Amino acid sequence: QQQVKQSPQSLIVQKGGISIINCAYENTAFDYFPWYQQFPGKGPALLIAIRPDVSEKKEGRFTISFNKSAKQFSLHIMDSQPGDSATYFCAGGMNSGYSTLTFGKGTMLLVSP
Amino acid sequence: SQTIHQWPATLVQPVGSPLSLECTVEGTSNPNLYWYRQAAGRGLQLLFYSVGIGQISSEVPQNLSASRPQDRQFILSSKKLLLSDSGFYLCAWSPRTSGPRGQYFGPGTRLTVT
Repeated sequence: QQQVKQSPQSLIVQKGGISIINCAYENTAFDYFPWYQQFPGKGPALLIAIRPDVSEKKEGRFTISFNKSAKQFSLHIMDSQPGDSATYFCAGGMNSGYSTLTFGKGTMLLVSP
Repeated sequence: SQTIHQWPATLVQPVGSPLSLECTVEGTSNPNLYWYRQAAGRGLQLLFYSVGIGQISSEVPQNLSASRPQDRQFILSSKKLLLSDSGFYLCAWSPRTSGPRGQYFGPGTRLTVT
């Protein structure tokens, strides 16, 4: 089965620091790479997404970097805040009849005050 | 704007009892619908997806079933719950448009089987 491997499993960052979460994918047919943010007891929320024809996408403090040749992409959270403490999931998707998404196993981020 | 609802929010059921979880989507037509289970607060396991009324595909053989009686309604059921069915159940939708697109999740149902 085509996987999306996500690392690290957990991450502690001091307030104001940069949080970096990495993902690697196997399926070269993937053409959509979203990141989701999930707070405890809540459903995941779509945070930011990128297409493989773009190497970087920035939305506020959140940036996706994409390396197509290495089949890797990462989420950078600049100026990390305690309110960013959550679990983050990366995913790879294909343009199919039902919007296939393969998720990574998640990263628990804790931003210490 | 689109909104996705799930109920109940929490549920405690004894082993062997039936289950019915409901999901509805507002503000869109002909959505693709999905049921996921999340165990131990981590990974997302796709259980079922539907591209239309009465069209259900199962990803994982299990004690659960799904139905889509209306365009924007998705139901997850079980005739007899097992302890292993405990978890956080998430419904999601995606638009029926061309091109890659994300899925949008509901608030979830926390199911505890005792």
